[in-house]
Amino acid sequence: GAGVSQTPSNKVTEKGKYVELRCDPISGHTALYWYRQSLGQGLEFLIYFQGNSAPDKSGLPSDRFSAERTGGSVSTLTIQRTQQEDSAVYLCASSISWGSSYNEQFFGPGTRLTVL
Amino acid sequence: GQNIDQPTEMTATEGAIVQINCTYQTSGFNGLFWYQQHAGEAPTFLSYNVLDGLEEKGRFSSFLSRSKGYSYLLLKELQMKDSASYLCAVRTNDYKLSFGAGTTVTVRA
Repeated sequence: GAGVSQTPSNKVTEKGKYVELRCDPISGHTALYWYRQSLGQGLEFLIYFQGNSAPDKSGLPSDRFSAERTGGSVSTLTIQRTQQEDSAVYLCASSISWGSSYNEQFFGPGTRLTVL
Repeated sequence: GQNIDQPTEMTATEGAIVQINCTYQTSGFNGLFWYQQHAGEAPTFLSYNVLDGLEEKGRFSSFLSRSKGYSYLLLKELQMKDSASYLCAVRTNDYKLSFGAGTTVTVRA
């Protein structure tokens, strides 16, 4: 596609529920990143993929969070047993590759998650 | 994590110049990025510095001093559309980006 797309744009859920957030990167971009942005906070790095592989999962806030990427394209971030502190905007970005010196990241519009 | 500090808010007049400072403490520095983020929108790339000095790009310039752990973003000839949040981000050798909390710039007529 022309840019990074994310669905849904907004998600309201109840505490304890399961949510799945989707990111469709720019075609041909092998690197994909997930961030979280809480109100008034900077972007918090969650996880990145180079191809389908996620070498470092240490940024995920808890074991309730997981992410996968299939076919080197679409990625899903899932949150189980959602908590109110999970409320944030979840941003996805992609870049041509992980290790290139320039490595400009292109961001999607984000998914605003509200946990009641 | 990385310590990245930037002012919370700045206000300036249309046509003026504003300088947004960013200081950082990190090991394995591998580049500094500035992003612009309008309210409710995704961040968009503005500039990238990996060597010391000034990078100019139209009305926007970015400066880096690696020895001082310091960067600034200079916005010239401010326009109303420049009202946004400006994010400083440091990349480390593991190619992760760490972002500051952002500086909200308000441009007044």
